[in-house]
Amino acid sequence: DQQVKQNSPSLSVQEGRISILNCDYTNSMFDYFLWYKKYPAEGPTFLISISSIKDKNEDGRFTVFLNKSAKHLSLHIVPSQPGDSAVYFCAAGIVVGSSNTGKLIFGQGTTLQVKP
Amino acid sequence: SAVISQKPSRDICQRGTSLTIQCQVDSQVTMMFWYRQQPGQSLTLIATANQGSEATYESGFVIDKFPISRPNLTFSTLTVSNMSPEDSSIYLCSVGDQHQPQHFGDGTRLSIL
Repeated sequence: DQQVKQNSPSLSVQEGRISILNCDYTNSMFDYFLWYKKYPAEGPTFLISISSIKDKNEDGRFTVFLNKSAKHLSLHIVPSQPGDSAVYFCAAGIVVGSSNTGKLIFGQGTTLQVKP
Repeated sequence: SAVISQKPSRDICQRGTSLTIQCQVDSQVTMMFWYRQQPGQSLTLIATANQGSEATYESGFVIDKFPISRPNLTFSTLTVSNMSPEDSSIYLCSVGDQHQPQHFGDGTRLSIL
């Protein structure tokens, strides 16, 4: 049972335009969501996160939107740059009581290519 | 954020053998985790490495196959035992604290012949 899904395996955009990466989830118990970027031969790098009580979080060129009723989140990158070309993973986590268990469930990833 | 070093970065092993992967962090961290990323797949949590006690394994992963040690707050090892070609994956160590996002090492690329 895939609790976190990224249905688009790849996305190609022109430099300077907006990149929108999507993620759907099925478990309404998730407390927070994260986006990671991964280059080949490197580990995932944390980009941005959002709590389930928020609907938007922005950090520079990166904005994450959360639609709880639709169980959907998206990452917007504006403007896109060639260096943004990488695999992007969304992940979801659960807090048990007052403790963050740290357990993350990842989507399958979306490969973003930004063309110069 | 913490600097995470994983060794080896890659290895090619014969089936039936075992390999131990090390994860070293440059500062004390509360939580350490081990993930697997099979070819073309997502990252899957193998276990949470607990300092001074047995690791907590996720469904589908067992201690006999993936023994884990965590002797202190900066170091952990994952052993992949009795390897078969299906164990060919990237194995990743991650670290985190209570209210901080997890950070990952660069992973160990393991190929089994």
